[in-house]
Amino acid sequence: DTEVTQTPKHLVMGMTNKKSLKCEQHMGHRAMYWYKQKAKKPPELMFVYSYEKLSINESVPSRFSPECPNSSLLNLHLHALQPEDSALYLCATRRGPTSNEQFFGPGTRLTVL
Amino acid sequence: QQPVQSPQAVILREGEDAVINCSSSKALYSVHWYRQKHGEAPVFLMILLKGGEQKGHDKISASFNEKKQQSSLYLTASQLSYSGTYFCGTEVSGTYKYIFGTGTRLKVLA
Repeated sequence: DTEVTQTPKHLVMGMTNKKSLKCEQHMGHRAMYWYKQKAKKPPELMFVYSYEKLSINESVPSRFSPECPNSSLLNLHLHALQPEDSALYLCATRRGPTSNEQFFGPGTRLTVL
Repeated sequence: QQPVQSPQAVILREGEDAVINCSSSKALYSVHWYRQKHGEAPVFLMILLKGGEQKGHDKISASFNEKKQQSSLYLTASQLSYSGTYFCGTEVSGTYKYIFGTGTRLKVLA
């Protein structure tokens, strides 16, 4: 199974809502990533989990809260977002720490009203 | 520091060739190439690790110069399916930190 799944596919939320994005993989990959991608821009790294521990936080605002409950699951909790947070949120996984390809999920298209 | 790609955009006819460049002001630990079609996730194409390395499969190949500051992706006899945005990417050595290049939008016309 070489698939990374993300749910939901689309999400519309108000600025006062709390919602979560979910990412799941069953490849045994030990590194999991969250990226944010705005239209016509490259994916921008947000967080990296390595062996279920947060190893990189790219100075992301606290209204984004990642969680890795186990080696197969990665969540991104959203609270009090701003309209400028509207974007495609991509999850990716990687087998190990160096020089391997990343496998991307299809993404969640988030709209904040 | 984000690698810079050139050109920003290119339009080709089917069967034409294209070259996409990825440049960095510092030596890169490695360079990866991805293609992202509209509305889809990026898909890995290939990775280059060593200075002077060249790699390819089918009609898509890439090179990494000796100083490891520039990589080029070569698309030969382009097909409609090659349309999309191409990103180079690199990691910060010893970390999981990953940075994508600025991207090149490629459109192949029939």
